[in-house]
Amino acid sequence: GAGVSQSPRYKVAKRGQDVALRCDPISGHVSLFWYQQALGQGPEFLTYFQNEAQLDKSGLPSDRFFAERPEGSVSTLKIQRTQQEDSAVYLCASSLTSRTTGGYTFGSGTRLTVV
Amino acid sequence: GQQLNQSPQSMFIQEGEDVSMNCTSSSIFNTWLWYKQDPGEGPVLLIALYKAGELTSNGRLTAQFGITRKDSFLNISASIPSDVGIYFCATNAGNNRKLIWGLGTSLAVNP
Repeated sequence: GAGVSQSPRYKVAKRGQDVALRCDPISGHVSLFWYQQALGQGPEFLTYFQNEAQLDKSGLPSDRFFAERPEGSVSTLKIQRTQQEDSAVYLCASSLTSRTTGGYTFGSGTRLTVV
Repeated sequence: GQQLNQSPQSMFIQEGEDVSMNCTSSSIFNTWLWYKQDPGEGPVLLIALYKAGELTSNGRLTAQFGITRKDSFLNISASIPSDVGIYFCATNAGNNRKLIWGLGTSLAVNP
């Protein structure tokens, strides 16, 4: 597609439930990022993929968070046993090359609310 | 950890006015980026700066990479209602491709 597509746009989960958030990057984009944005804050880095390789997962807040990009295109961010502090907007971004330093295209995000 | 201090936190201006906002840090960076985020959307890149002292324009927007490499400012001239949104500065942490972000400047424009 023309842009980065994320689904679902909104997700309400009961505490303890597992969720899966999907990101379709721009076709052919090598780099893919996940960010977490709490209300009133700037985005916080979660993880980075170059093609199918997860090169940096230093931002994942706990082992309940897991991301994958098995074929180097679509990526899924999975959160197990969700907790209230996981409520945030989860943003996905992609860039054409691995050398891009900042010119990323972001999706509209998935707003996760844990109740 | 590294932090970007963005100011002002919010602005309320009249249509047609010029706007200035800035971003500072105690660390030196090689990149300064300015993004705009509309409600319910992801951030959109406005201007990217890669060289100390660089001054770059994009329509009514002008941004500069500070000489000390510790700051940057963004100016918007002749504001219009569609300028409403949150403006973020961001930068790369060294050779790492992940971005660190300021807390944003919320801009409201009164028509």
